[in-house]
Amino acid sequence: GAVVSQHPSRVICKSGTSVKIECRSLDFQATTMFWYRQFPKQSLMLMATSNEGSKATYEQGVEKDKFLINHASLTLSTLTVTSAHPEDSSFYICSAPDGSTYGYTFGSGTRLTVV
Amino acid sequence: AQSVTQLGSHVSVSEGALVLLRCNYSSSVPPYLFWYVQYPNQGLQLLLKYTTGATLVKGINGFEAEFKKSETSFHLTKPSAHMSDAAEYFCAVSDGPEKLTFGTGTRLTIIP
Repeated sequence: GAVVSQHPSRVICKSGTSVKIECRSLDFQATTMFWYRQFPKQSLMLMATSNEGSKATYEQGVEKDKFLINHASLTLSTLTVTSAHPEDSSFYICSAPDGSTYGYTFGSGTRLTVV
Repeated sequence: AQSVTQLGSHVSVSEGALVLLRCNYSSSVPPYLFWYVQYPNQGLQLLLKYTTGATLVKGINGFEAEFKKSETSFHLTKPSAHMSDAAEYFCAVSDGPEKLTFGTGTRLTIIP
């Protein structure tokens, strides 16, 4: 089946630095990638939708200059958290349509801790 | 706008007992409904989905859910709980092949 590989699984960074999270579709082409954020014991909130070769669409309240999304190829989408702050600490998950009827495959998530 | 309500943020059942996780939705169009399971520090795994056709949907690991339009519900059940079922469960709704709207999740605990 369709697999999305997400890296890193865990990252700790210092305040003010930037962190890049990668999601790769391993055996299919992901023209669309959804990026979610999940706070502890809460649900997933959609941050943005990236489409290969075009600008990402951000949900209301999400700072596009802080959360940079690049979808330069059909198999790779990246999320860069710029100038990270402790409040950006969260679990980030990517997801892509898997080709089945309204089917989506999820990455394994990235636990970001900003210290 | 669409929304999902999961009743009960925590559910505990004894091993071998019936599992019932409740989900109600609100959608202005015929919905597509999903149940996902999440283990600690992992992504989401699809348990089952309803798009069209039969309203009783069977999924993986012995789970099933029934779409009841009159009740706007999509409750998840499993006849006999297993220790490995302990996880977080999310109900989600979509009105098309785009973004999912998730419920707040239900943490299932299995009592030995």
